Amino acid sequence: DIQMTQSPSSLSASVGDRVTITCRASQGIRNDLGWYQQKPGKAPKRLIYGASSLQSGVPSRFSGSESGTEFTLTISSLQPEDFATYYCLQYNDYPLTFGGGTKVEIK
Amino acid sequence: EVHLVESGGGLVQPGGSLRLSCVASGFTFSGYWMNWVRQAPGKGLEWVANINRDGSDKKYVDSVKGRFTISRDNAKNSLHLQMNSLRVEDTAVYYCASAWGLTTQYWGQGTLVTVPS
Repeated sequence: DIQMTQSPSSLSASVGDRVTITCRASQGIRNDLGWYQQKPGKAPKRLIYGASSLQSGVPSRFSGSESGTEFTLTISSLQPEDFATYYCLQYNDYPLTFGGGTKVEIK
Repeated sequence: EVHLVESGGGLVQPGGSLRLSCVASGFTFSGYWMNWVRQAPGKGLEWVANINRDGSDKKYVDSVKGRFTISRDNAKNSLHLQMNSLRVEDTAVYYCASAWGLTTQYWGQGTLVTVPS
């Protein structure tokens, strides 16, 4: 199985901060990776697919990048509505696997 | 407007069965692979199963193989998950979601399955 190691598991940040979340895949997954935002009691919402393609309707402060087996979600300027938990998902091979999640909290 | 509406969750004793449904509207359901994803209380997301467009290809996470069956009825725009031999560790909110790598993706609001210890 492909393991997705997501870091950090939590972070505290202020409005306006630049935030970076990383997922490392245990083997190559091409660019078959998505990033999801989840707020309490709600379904996940996709932000990025194909490692770097911005989902329609998602603000441009969100971006995704890849370098080999390391994938990064960046929020360029954190907004109040961005406080949530973020997950990566690899859909390259079965079983599909999510990262452990990163909870972004208000500092 | 796109909707995915799950139903069928509830409280079931260990060893029992439950059938979840997900009804789609607002998009061409038959054109999409579909997935079930679950989330145990206070935990992360776990992919459970998926099914191809015509229902001929199905994949499962190891922990549910032989106990859960995914199916679909394209005439009724519906996706199902038959869950047998339920365990305490199957307690979760179950979401249906459409295919991962396309430009659009849809999620339902989830349905809670509780298997008490």
